[in-house]
Amino acid sequence: DTEVTQTPKHLVMGMTNKKSLKCEQHMGHRAMYWYKQKAKKPPELMFVYSYEKLSINESVPSRFSPECPNSSLLNLHLHALQPEDSALYLCASSTPTGKNYGYTFGSGTRLTVV
Amino acid sequence: DAKTTQPPSMDCAEGRAANLPCNHSTISGNEYVYWYRQIHSQGPQYIIHGLKNNETNEMASLIITEDRKSSTLILPHATLRDTAVYYCIARDDKIIFGKGTRLHILP
Repeated sequence: DTEVTQTPKHLVMGMTNKKSLKCEQHMGHRAMYWYKQKAKKPPELMFVYSYEKLSINESVPSRFSPECPNSSLLNLHLHALQPEDSALYLCASSTPTGKNYGYTFGSGTRLTVV
Repeated sequence: DAKTTQPPSMDCAEGRAANLPCNHSTISGNEYVYWYRQIHSQGPQYIIHGLKNNETNEMASLIITEDRKSSTLILPHATLRDTAVYYCIARDDKIIFGKGTRLHILP
């Protein structure tokens, strides 16, 4: 299995809702990442997990809450989002340094906040 | 991460080689050069990476200058499916994307 699977593919949520994005990989990768991508812009790094521990938070607002329950799963919990948070949310995984094989990205969850 | 500079867009005729340049003049000795591409509405896809030697795989070739200040990604026989945004990244650890080059393959 050489894929990163993200669910759901599309999500519409209201500003008072709580929802979660899910990311799963079975490549034995011990580093996992969340990126946010606005239309016509490059992906922006949000969070990095290494060996199931949060190692980098790129000053992301607290309404985004990541969780890594085990080495194969990465979640992004969403609460009280704003319409400007509408974007494509991408998950990626790699070996801990990511140097030899690069990152494997999922296809993303397209989030619309109404 | 070293800053990279890429042309915003390029055209290439189908069947010809696409040569995508990248400038990374501030790259440090332990930073690798990575190339990714992103086809519309999909996640980025890893293409190739290198440190100082030229590299080739089934997708592309990577030519890095001797001083490591620039590199070129070569797609040897471009097809319409190669239309995408191509990102050049110089990094030691986490990947930070720049604006990339939007490559149009012309039929």
